[in-house]
Amino acid sequence: QKEVEQNSGPLSVPEGAIASLNCTYSDRGSQSFFWYRQYSGKSPELIMFIYSNGDKEDGRFTAQLNKASQYVSLLIRDSQPSDSATYLCAVKKQSGAGSYQLTFGKGTKLSVIP
Amino acid sequence: ETGVTQTPRHLVMGMTNKKSLKCEQHLGHNAMYWYKQSAKKPLELMFVYNFKEQTENNSVPSRFSPECPNSSHLFLHLHTLQPEDSALYLCASSQDDRAYSPLHFGNGTRLTVT
Repeated sequence: QKEVEQNSGPLSVPEGAIASLNCTYSDRGSQSFFWYRQYSGKSPELIMFIYSNGDKEDGRFTAQLNKASQYVSLLIRDSQPSDSATYLCAVKKQSGAGSYQLTFGKGTKLSVIP
Repeated sequence: ETGVTQTPRHLVMGMTNKKSLKCEQHLGHNAMYWYKQSAKKPLELMFVYNFKEQTENNSVPSRFSPECPNSSHLFLHLHTLQPEDSALYLCASSQDDRAYSPLHFGNGTRLTVT
């Protein structure tokens, strides 16, 4: 089982719609959860992070965490063509050495159609 | 100055060459990381440094040699690489290597091994 799983997509949504990106993780000891956006040829850019069960909103973005189901999602409201990118889910858990490692999924490619 | 700066942006090297990648962060962070991003694979953590001390080495081949002279600078020394080492190498930093510190990435070095 992969540590962090995402549907690779592409996920296509019309402009103005809600885009829903999903991620599951395998380690119940995971403590923090991050969403990054990566445009083609660019480096990952932090969108938001969540630590506690429930929803966290930041502008048009909402992250949702359900630790019991080992599931984290990102909703993008009023999707814009500029949101077209690959969205990376990342999970932090404690390594054997005691520090915390950030493990990434393969990413979901989102395409917002004008 | 941007938060995390990597040089060079692009590098082409032969299998017998020796080269170094450089990373500098201006965020006042104490932890720095090297990640490798290959096509169709998730980002792979290579090395972690916290307060200049290496805390993680994810079974990286010895042809990759990291160096962290202080909390603001990180190097990746490369020698006798293989063509499969061609990838995007990303440097990142965070406040510390604990659970709730998000990583901030540099623009990456696109490495091609011929």
